Amino acid sequence: DAGVTQSPTHLIKTRGQQVTLRCSPKSGHDTVSWYQQALGQGPQFIFQYYEEEERQRGNFPDRFSGHQFPNYSSELNVNALLLGDSALYLCASSLGSGGRSTYGYTFGSGTRLTVV
Amino acid sequence: DAKTTQPPSMDCAEGRAANLPCNHSTISGNEYVYWYRQIHSQGPQYIIHGLKNNETNEMASLIITEDRKSSTLILPHATLRDTAVYYCIGGRRTGNQFYFGTGTSLTVIP
Repeated sequence: DAGVTQSPTHLIKTRGQQVTLRCSPKSGHDTVSWYQQALGQGPQFIFQYYEEEERQRGNFPDRFSGHQFPNYSSELNVNALLLGDSALYLCASSLGSGGRSTYGYTFGSGTRLTVV
Repeated sequence: DAKTTQPPSMDCAEGRAANLPCNHSTISGNEYVYWYRQIHSQGPQYIIHGLKNNETNEMASLIITEDRKSSTLILPHATLRDTAVYYCIGGRRTGNQFYFGTGTSLTVIP
């Protein structure tokens, strides 16, 4: 049973560029959440997608946007990259925004984004 | 979601029990306590969760106080592979956003 798959694993971008990160949820999961984790910090919630709509959003600017596809996979887009966007971006899947998940989230291994 | 407080770091001798405390005094009645751990540069891994009763699985035990204001994660026989950052999170069983703090960095010493 495949877990959460994220691509790419590592990425280097230049300040001002745009980036797209991808996530395939665990089989049977329909909800995808994205987290940003700066070095030495705990993950911070960016947003959550359920039924192809953004359901919740954390304290992140509009430069961060996302999408969920009919097969439940998701993309995170970041425009106008800043040096401070350098972080590990984690995708987490769960079952149902309305709550039948026993284990909370299943996390992927993340995409390490470096902005230079 | 409940705010949690954990010590920033702990050491444990290999083979001994590791007891990781967490305070969650603002947890509400319908919020679970979840524990995750994160090994360097990997995604967080689910360990265990509970609401009121103590819980045990193949990885760990979770002891929740009767007033639910604190809990302790117990790794019964710590190994070097248990070296990680451990996060205690208070959250509803709804898949809603989790608020991670900075966790406890556990180092298992040979």
